[in-house]
Amino acid sequence: DQQVKQNSPSLSVQEGRISILNCDYTNSMFDYFLWYKKYPAEGPTFLISISSIKDKNEDGRFTVFLNKSAKHLSLHIVPSQPGDSAVYFCAASAVGTYKYIFGTGTRLKVLA
Amino acid sequence: NAGVTQTPKFQVLKTGQSMTLQCAQDMNHNSMYWYRQDPGMGLRLIYYSASEGTTDKGEVPNGYNVSRLNKREFSLRLESAAPSQTSVYFCASSEISGVNEKLFFGSGTQLSVL
Repeated sequence: DQQVKQNSPSLSVQEGRISILNCDYTNSMFDYFLWYKKYPAEGPTFLISISSIKDKNEDGRFTVFLNKSAKHLSLHIVPSQPGDSAVYFCAASAVGTYKYIFGTGTRLKVLA
Repeated sequence: NAGVTQTPKFQVLKTGQSMTLQCAQDMNHNSMYWYRQDPGMGLRLIYYSASEGTTDKGEVPNGYNVSRLNKREFSLRLESAAPSQTSVYFCASSEISGVNEKLFFGSGTQLSVL
């Protein structure tokens, strides 16, 4: 049972445009959400996070939106750059569980 | 600052062989994790250790054992490797101070079981 889902395996975007990556979750106990970026042959690196008490968090070109009623979050990258080409994972955690559950990832390709 | 260090980086095993993947972190983190990454499956949690002296099963623990040797080190053991365990393995650590924290990952171990 996949508790965190990323239904788009891949996404291509032109340089300078907006990239929107989506993530859905099923467990209503999740209250903390993270996005990670992964380049080939490297470990995932943290990008941005959001707590369930917020509906938006922004860090430079990256913004994460959380819709708790829909159990949906999205990552917006504006403007997209070729260096953003990577696999993006969303992850979720419930307070006190110490467990982070990841989605299947979305491969983003930013075209120059 | 090394962060999370995994050894080895690559390993090839024959079915039935055993091996231990090593992980060490130098950030004084309380919690440590083992994940595996497979195509189309994302990152799946194998085992985790919320604090020194404790370990718990994750999503896919079968065929694995773990040891939290001390606060710095968390090893993953395959007692009898199977082809289904061919994967990229990532170790991660986190502070977990009661406030939301992020995971820091190592660079991974690519394991092939023939």
